[in-house]
Amino acid sequence: AQSVAQPEDQVKVAEGNPLTVKCTYSVSGNPYLFWYVQYPNRGLQFLLKYITGDNLVKGSYGFEAEFNKSQTSFHLKKPSALVSDSALYFCAVRPYSGNTGKLIFGQGTTLQVKP
Amino acid sequence: GAVVSQHPSWVICKSGTSVKIECRSLDFQATTMFWYRQFPKQSLMLMATSNEGSKATYEQGVEKDKFLINHASLTLSTLTVTSAHPEDSSFYICSARDMGVETQYFGPGTRLLVL
Repeated sequence: AQSVAQPEDQVKVAEGNPLTVKCTYSVSGNPYLFWYVQYPNRGLQFLLKYITGDNLVKGSYGFEAEFNKSQTSFHLKKPSALVSDSALYFCAVRPYSGNTGKLIFGQGTTLQVKP
Repeated sequence: GAVVSQHPSWVICKSGTSVKIECRSLDFQATTMFWYRQFPKQSLMLMATSNEGSKATYEQGVEKDKFLINHASLTLSTLTVTSAHPEDSSFYICSARDMGVETQYFGPGTRLLVL
């Protein structure tokens, strides 16, 4: 079965420190990969995506993610965390097969950045 | 960036009434929109795929007669919760697929409370 895993329910970092939010996936073919962020009582905001090309993709608010095909991972990173980065982060995968555009979401990781 | 709006942002209704939620893509056309439901501190649950000019595709376990979806134009999809019951209380989020950039953009969500 196709799935996305975010192994950490919560990640805590100090402001100014680098952060990593992990994501691994299990889908056939070459998927499209996405990261979204959700603030309380809000919808999801698009951060970045990987479709093809350079494995390191840069997105909004200083975030970046690295696609690793051999490890089937797409970890989200930021060199220096801000308190305002505290939110719920979702990794999502669109399997290449089919054309519905449906996304498979991970369970989400709560990022807490402490001052 | 691409903007998706939802209206209303929150609604309180009596049990047995129907509630309509609108999802609009403001600066791009979306032949495909998606409706999700999210429970507190959980991931998104896809309810249905809304296809412009044709019937929606519902996920397993979602009652199509209870959650009516209409996608009459390239920028508007509506979800109507018919004969709402307290167990329908939830956070409903829509997204619109921008095929040009192969990305789903999400609305801000609608909080539904059925009394």
